[in-house]
Amino acid sequence: AQSVTQLDSHVSVSEGTPVLLRCNYSSSYSPSLFWYVQHPNKGLQLLLKYTSAATLVKGINGFEAEFKKSETSFHLTKPSAHMSDAAEYFCVVRVGPGSQGNLIFGKGTKLSVKP
Amino acid sequence: DTAVSQTPKYLVTQMGNDKSIKCEQNLGHDTMYWYKQDSKKFLKIMFSYNNKELIINETVPNRFSPKSPDKAHLNLHINSLELGDSAVYFCASSQDLATYEQYFGPGTRLTVT
Repeated sequence: AQSVTQLDSHVSVSEGTPVLLRCNYSSSYSPSLFWYVQHPNKGLQLLLKYTSAATLVKGINGFEAEFKKSETSFHLTKPSAHMSDAAEYFCVVRVGPGSQGNLIFGKGTKLSVKP
Repeated sequence: DTAVSQTPKYLVTQMGNDKSIKCEQNLGHDTMYWYKQDSKKFLKIMFSYNNKELIINETVPNRFSPKSPDKAHLNLHINSLELGDSAVYFCASSQDLATYEQYFGPGTRLTVT
């Protein structure tokens, strides 16, 4: 069965320091993986996506993620955190082949950024 | 220009009532979705519609019924509301079922008292 596990429910960093949000997946198919961000009282916004092209994926706002098949991981990173990065981040796997796919969300990681 | 919009943003109602949440997308997408986000921020898909036909109906109670008057709208009607229905409901759309990227609305926070 396909699933996604976010290893940390809460990550706290200082402004200007690196961000690492961890995600592991399980998929019977070649997976499509995404990171979404949800700012307080806002909808979800797509940060980046992996769909079997380059394993290092660059997204918006300086975020990037690396697909590692051997580790079944898709961790999200950013070299330097900004106060505006404080939000909830969701790792998502697309379940099923082709047009039958459905999105399965992880339980989210809350990122706090201290001044 | 809001790509995916939902109304209302907040909805407070009593148990047993019937309520609807509206969703509209102006992106010209063929597929629309409804998600439920519980108090622990866990998101789960409820329905998806492709060209006005229900494609996925996850294990949600039949008190929930999606209605799509046209390709740009997917409304969610809920009968006999229960306390456990309290959540944030998100509408989303994608170009089609094969397109991975989904665009989300701002959410509707439903509180059942």
